[in-house]
Amino acid sequence: GQQVMQIPQYQHVQEGEDFTTYCNSSTTLSNIQWYKQRPGGHPVFLIQLVKSGEVKKQKRLTFQFGEAKKNSSLHITATQTTDVGTYFCAGYGGGSNYKLTFGKGTLLTVNP
Amino acid sequence: DAMVIQNPRYQVTQFGKPVTLSCSQTLNHNVMYWYQQKSSQAPKLLFHYYDKDFNNEADTPDNFQSRRPNTSFCFLDIRSPGLGDAAMYLCATSTGSWDYEQYFGPGTRLTVT
Repeated sequence: GQQVMQIPQYQHVQEGEDFTTYCNSSTTLSNIQWYKQRPGGHPVFLIQLVKSGEVKKQKRLTFQFGEAKKNSSLHITATQTTDVGTYFCAGYGGGSNYKLTFGKGTLLTVNP
Repeated sequence: DAMVIQNPRYQVTQFGKPVTLSCSQTLNHNVMYWYQQKSSQAPKLLFHYYDKDFNNEADTPDNFQSRRPNTSFCFLDIRSPGLGDAAMYLCATSTGSWDYEQYFGPGTRLTVT
């Protein structure tokens, strides 16, 4: 079945440093979504990418979807303590059952 | 505000004692999902409803059942909870189809004693 791999599993940075998490799928994806889950909270939708090579920005966050639609990345510039949480990618590979396959997530901690 | 509500937020049950978790939504979304999330892991889809159509994941144990009596409500029944079923249970909704974001509820933390 479809697998979505995400690295790194953990990342600890000093406030102000940049952060990147990578997502790779074993199959071509129709779309990829990114979610953020704060400690003790629930996943919150950040963004969706659909087009090959797509790049989207939200303030300090930059999301990319690979040309082959099998990989994606989330880059945070100049991290802040409010960025702490687990970032999940989730992709849809096809079919009609509306199922997203989640990566295992990257836990970001930020040292002030 | 339109939202996804889960009750209770915390549930303690005994080994083997049936438990029901509830989810309601005011978003009028067609699709409702139940996920199981264990500590430091990704959400694992148990099943979902598209309207009244039930879709069970192949690896969801028979111990887990679900009901959706109407658009707004969905229930997760665990018939005989085991210690391994202790987890956060997340309900989510979406408008439908694969290209819509999912809205998650706050979750129910289930403890099995």
